[in-house]
Amino acid sequence: DVKVTQSSRYLVKRTGEKVFLECVQDMDHENMFWYRQDPGLGLRLIYFSYDVKMKEKGDIPEGYSVSREKKERFSLILESASTNQTSMYLCASRPSGGTSTDTQYFGPGTRLTVL
Amino acid sequence: GDSVTQMEGPVTLSEEAFLTINCTYTATGYPSLFWYVQYPGEGLQLLLKATKADDKGSNKGFEATYRKETTSFHLEKGSVQVSDSAVYFCALSEPNTGNQFYFGTGTSLTVIP
Repeated sequence: DVKVTQSSRYLVKRTGEKVFLECVQDMDHENMFWYRQDPGLGLRLIYFSYDVKMKEKGDIPEGYSVSREKKERFSLILESASTNQTSMYLCASRPSGGTSTDTQYFGPGTRLTVL
Repeated sequence: GDSVTQMEGPVTLSEEAFLTINCTYTATGYPSLFWYVQYPGEGLQLLLKATKADDKGSNKGFEATYRKETTSFHLEKGSVQVSDSAVYFCALSEPNTGNQFYFGTGTSLTVIP
């Protein structure tokens, strides 16, 4: 079974702090994604990566950056956390060379609260 | 651009009731369609999918048929259980957009005994 793990289930940070959210997948997937989930807005794509050291902006990249130094690990960074970044963050991965028929596999999510 | 529209929630049903959650999509090419389920406190997991027109995806008693003529992929279950209480997301993916996923806003379902 594919496993996607996220470093924390719950996180509380202060405004202005630098925040790291870690995601690890164990199935050698090249494609990895970060979403945020908010009530009434569904899932919105922040960043994605198709390969090591490669990153692409999604729909809402402002205030975020990412790092992909190893294939299995994709990190989301909030350079200076703000209260409007309080949300559920979901990481996902997808098989290498995926076609449109391939599913994404999701981690359990990190619920981040910024005070 | 591509998009997915699904019915607003929340939906509350009694156990053994019939469930329909509507989903329609807009796509420039020939997408694959998915339903994901998110149980409380968990991430999303694939419920079912269909990859071409007239395909029917099914799993755990849930079904959805890919209707190209109406651009729809409605989720149905004949008899819901309390354990089906969750949030359901419709999604699409197609080659024209680099296989990026587009998700609906989610529909919350609560089943009461």
